[in-house]
Amino acid sequence: DTEVTQTPKHLVMGMTNKKSLKCEQHMGHRAMYWYKQKAKKPPELMFVYSYEKLSINESVPSRFSPECPNSSLLNLHLHALQPEDSALYLCASSQDNGGLYEQYFGPGTRLTVT
Amino acid sequence: AQSVTQPDIHITVSEGASLELRCNYSYGATPYLFWYVQSPGQGLQLLLKYFSGDTLVQGIKGFEAEFKRSQSSFNLRKPSVHWSDAAEYFCAVGGRAGGTSYGKLTFGQGTILTVHP
Repeated sequence: DTEVTQTPKHLVMGMTNKKSLKCEQHMGHRAMYWYKQKAKKPPELMFVYSYEKLSINESVPSRFSPECPNSSLLNLHLHALQPEDSALYLCASSQDNGGLYEQYFGPGTRLTVT
Repeated sequence: AQSVTQPDIHITVSEGASLELRCNYSYGATPYLFWYVQSPGQGLQLLLKYFSGDTLVQGIKGFEAEFKRSQSSFNLRKPSVHWSDAAEYFCAVGGRAGGTSYGKLTFGQGTILTVHP
């Protein structure tokens, strides 16, 4: 099973709301990633977790807060977002956090901030 | 720093025609190279990867890619395109241990493929 699942598929939130995105994988992978993708652009790396510890934060604003409760789960907590944060948020996982390990992507959460 | 260039933003081919999508990379050593495909509103699916060894790699859905070190290229090819191949294609390079890009995947800007019946 090479599936990464993400919930919800779509999310609309106001600028004062607090919401969370969820990502799950059961492949035994030890690295998990959050990406942000705007229309007609490549994915941009936001965070990397390796062995449940945050290993890379690409200078993401604090209104995005990642959490890795266990090796299979990755959350992204959202608070006080801006309209420009509207995008497709992709989760990915890989066997380990190294360049040679291919990443498996989930279908994404389409986020709209109003 | 590593970088990836996909020179063609949009390519249109007829169904049954051959396809080549270009990818050039910039990296100080032998890179880890990937091609991903993304259908509209969906996640990315890995087509193939190159780490070392045979420079011609086979992937899923009938795709192949050739690593050419002298040209810093990793072009994706398919001999006969199907309408279902219409999607956006991303070339990516993965950073090796010891570098500042270790653990990161750097994507090209993508090439949108349109297939005419």
